[in-house]
Formats: sequence, C-alpha cells, structure tokens
Amino acid sequence: DAEITQSPRHKITETGRQVTLACHQTWNHNNMFWYRQDLGHGLRLIHYSYGVQDTNKGEVSDGYSVSRSNTEDLPLTLESAASSQTSVYFCASSESPGQPQHFGDGTRLSIL
Amino acid sequence: ILNVEQSPQSLHVQEGDSTNFTCSFPSSNFYALHWYRWETAKSPEALFVMTLNGDEKKKGRISATLNTKEGYSYLYIKGSQPEDSATYLCAFMQDSNYQLIWGAGTKLIIKP
Repeated sequence: DAEITQSPRHKITETGRQVTLACHQTWNHNNMFWYRQDLGHGLRLIHYSYGVQDTNKGEVSDGYSVSRSNTEDLPLTLESAASSQTSVYFCASSESPGQPQHFGDGTRLSIL
Repeated sequence: ILNVEQSPQSLHVQEGDSTNFTCSFPSSNFYALHWYRWETAKSPEALFVMTLNGDEKKKGRISATLNTKEGYSYLYIKGSQPEDSATYLCAFMQDSNYQLIWGAGTKLIIKP
C-alpha cells in the first residue's frame, strides 16, 4: 500500500543547530506540504512543492527551507534551530489541489 | 489575512445523539473546502473535499453541506458513537494558490 512516512518521530536538539526532518511518500504525488501544529492554532503551512525542483513559501516559512530533488521526498531543514520552532511537524501529499491530502504521522521536535 | 473559523471549539455529546458544527470561510476566490478527522495520537484523515455550492457529501453517519456564497459548511454526525470522538478540522482552499488555510478544529467528545 502507498504511504507517507516521516522521520524521526521525535527529536530533541539545541538552539543554533541545523535539523532536517525527512518526509517520503510512495503515492507518486506531485504535491507535497509541510505544516506545523501548535496549541491554539490550526495547521500552518511552512513550505510546499508542486513538483520536482518546485518549492514555495507558506505562511510561516522564516527559518525553514525545503528542497525537492525527486517526486518521493521533501526534506524540511531548520537552518539554525530556535526555541520558537518547538512544535509538531506534519508532512502531507496530494495528487492534485482538488484531492484530499494524505498525512504522515508527524515529528515532535523539541528545541532546548 | 484569510481566516477560517470553526465553532464550537469543543463539544460534549451523549452517545446516540446527533450533532453538528460549523466552518466559516471567506466567500471569495473559493476553490474547495476540505474536512478532516483527527484522532488523538494519529494524523488527520480526509473525510470530504467539497467544491460546488450546495454540495452535500455523506460517509456513513457523517455528512457535510456547503454554501460558498455565504462562506460556511456544516458537518453532521448522526447517532454519535464513542469512536467519533476526535477533532474535526476544516480547511479552505482559494483558487489563487491552492494552499489550504486551516481552522483550529472542533474537538468532539462522546460521553457513553
């Protein structure tokens, strides 16, 4: 069965370090998304991609970057981790804008 | 700034009762309205993607309606069961960039 997987599931790191969260999907979807989820907020879009070599900034992109070198993967990098980036991160993919998004299980990131 | 509002924030319902809650979204530049179900410790799962004004969708005991002219959607659950306990998220997609803008969710708790 096709799936979308995130790794790691949990990570603790220190401020100033570079962190990369992995997202891998086997749906062969062109569209991939990174969200963060914080108490009191809905899911907020960090970055998204509509295909290989395409990346776009979302609502809360400062301090984050992504790259899309193939269809399956959209890694999210925190260039210099800050305590404000402590959050739960979800990756999602969809076949097209009108189709539902499929979510990974999330990565809980704590920055001390 | 585009805003998606969900009400109520939380809801306690007796097992067997029916319930409904609301998603309000901007009435301009509409492309689609998504509903997701999010159980604790899991990832969001798509319920419906609605695109046409007046659209009604149904999946088992759960149904949804859409009014794009006035900017609202209702989600109905008939004969609530304990397994319906979850947070229900709606998300509005505009036709300019196909990004989803998420509401903060309605947390539904079914009392046995």
